Amino acid sequence: GQQVMQIPQYQHVQEGEDFTTYCNSSTTLSNIQWYKQRPGGHPVFLIQLVKSGEVKKQKRLTFQFGEAKKNSSLHITATQTTDVGTYFCAGFSGGGADGLTFGKGTHLIIQP
Amino acid sequence: SAVISQKPSRDICQRGTSLTIQCQVDSQVTMMFWYRQQPGQSLTLIATANQGSEATYESGFVIDKFPISRPNLTFSTLTVSNMSPEDSSIYLCSVKKGSGANVLTFGAGSRLTVL
Repeated sequence: GQQVMQIPQYQHVQEGEDFTTYCNSSTTLSNIQWYKQRPGGHPVFLIQLVKSGEVKKQKRLTFQFGEAKKNSSLHITATQTTDVGTYFCAGFSGGGADGLTFGKGTHLIIQP
Repeated sequence: SAVISQKPSRDICQRGTSLTIQCQVDSQVTMMFWYRQQPGQSLTLIATANQGSEATYESGFVIDKFPISRPNLTFSTLTVSNMSPEDSSIYLCSVKKGSGANVLTFGAGSRLTVL
C-alpha cells in the first residue's frame, strides 16, 4: 500500500532559525495536505497542494509540491515560539476510506 | 469549516471496562472518521462511521473492540471495549464536509488512560 515517509522525526532549532520538513510518497499523489498539531492539541489543516511543482506561501511558511507529485516540503523562515508543534503531511491518493496516508510527523522544538 | 464537539476530553479507565466517546458536529457532514493517535505518534484511521449502516473498519480494527454508531449526519460514537493499557491513546473524531472534499477537520480528541 501507499507509504508516506516524513523526515526528520525531530528538529531542534534556535528561535529565529529556519526549519524544513520533507515528505516522500511511494506513489504519485492526487494532492498533499499539511496539518499542524500544537502540544496537547489536535491536528489543524494548514494547506493543500494539488498541482505539480506548486508553491504556496502563508506568511513565513512555504509549501512545495514536487514535479512528480511524490514529494513535498514545508519550510518555515525565522521560526518563532508559536511555531512549536508537530507538522504532518498527508498524501491523498483517492483510494481507501479517507484517501489520506499520514506521515509520522516532524516534531519542531524551538529553543528561545 | 465544521465545528466538532468531542467528549469526554479525557478519562482514566480501569482495565476490562468500556468507554464511549461522543462526537457532535454543528452541521451535516458527508463523512465521519475515527482515528487513534498514540503518544507522540502519527494518526491511524480506525474506521469510517457510516450513517444508517455498519462502520467500515481498517485493517487491524474490529467491530467487537471498537463498536461505532452513526444515527444521523451530525453525530457518532466510538466505544472502546474491554480496555487494556495498550488502548491508552488519543481518539479523534474527524469529518469531511462535502462529497468532493478531502480535507479533514478534527475534533479536540479524547485522551484515554487505561490502568
